[in-house]
Amino acid sequence: AQSVTQPDIHITVSEGASLELRCNYSYGATPYLFWYVQSPGQGLQLLLKYFSGDTLVQGIKGFEAEFKRSQSSFNLRKPSVHWSDAAEYFCAVGGGPGGGNKLTFGTGTQLKVEL
Amino acid sequence: ETGVTQSPTHLIKTRGQQVTLRCSSQSGHNTVSWYQQALGQGPQFIFQYYREEENGRGNFPPRFSGLQFPNYSSELNVNALELDDSALYLCASSLDGTAYNEQFFGPGTRLTVL
Repeated sequence: AQSVTQPDIHITVSEGASLELRCNYSYGATPYLFWYVQSPGQGLQLLLKYFSGDTLVQGIKGFEAEFKRSQSSFNLRKPSVHWSDAAEYFCAVGGGPGGGNKLTFGTGTQLKVEL
Repeated sequence: ETGVTQSPTHLIKTRGQQVTLRCSSQSGHNTVSWYQQALGQGPQFIFQYYREEENGRGNFPPRFSGLQFPNYSSELNVNALELDDSALYLCASSLDGTAYNEQFFGPGTRLTVL
């Protein structure tokens, strides 16, 4: 069965510092990979997605992620964090048994930004 | 273009009761998925509806059931509520159920079971 692991439950960075959120997946075939952000009281917003092709994908709000098949990873990065980036971030893998575009999420990483 | 909406925003029920949650999909979308997000956890897939038919189900008991209507809005029904059903219930719509189509999420319904 497919699964997603986000090893870091909480991360704190200073505003202006770089950010990397880790994500490892388990999936039998070529995965469809996603990063979502959730602010308090809000639904999930898609930051970026990877289906195939270039392994470095660009998303909204200055985020990017790199797919590394050899490491089963899809880490999210941002060169310079803004205070408004404080939120919870979820990595997800799509497809697989049980539903066409069913998503399997990790447990999330809570990002705190220090001013 | 109206996004995904859910009602109610918050709900409090007691153990053993039944609850119905509602979701209006984004215009032009025929697929709705439901997820349960317990506190401190990622969302878990409950089921998906495509053109009024169930199109996949996660590891949830039969007391979780759903409907999709001709206008592609959807309901999630939970019978015999248990304390562990307390969670944020998220609805997401997409153009169709294929893997590469983005799911657009609503703000969720917060269910508390006492």
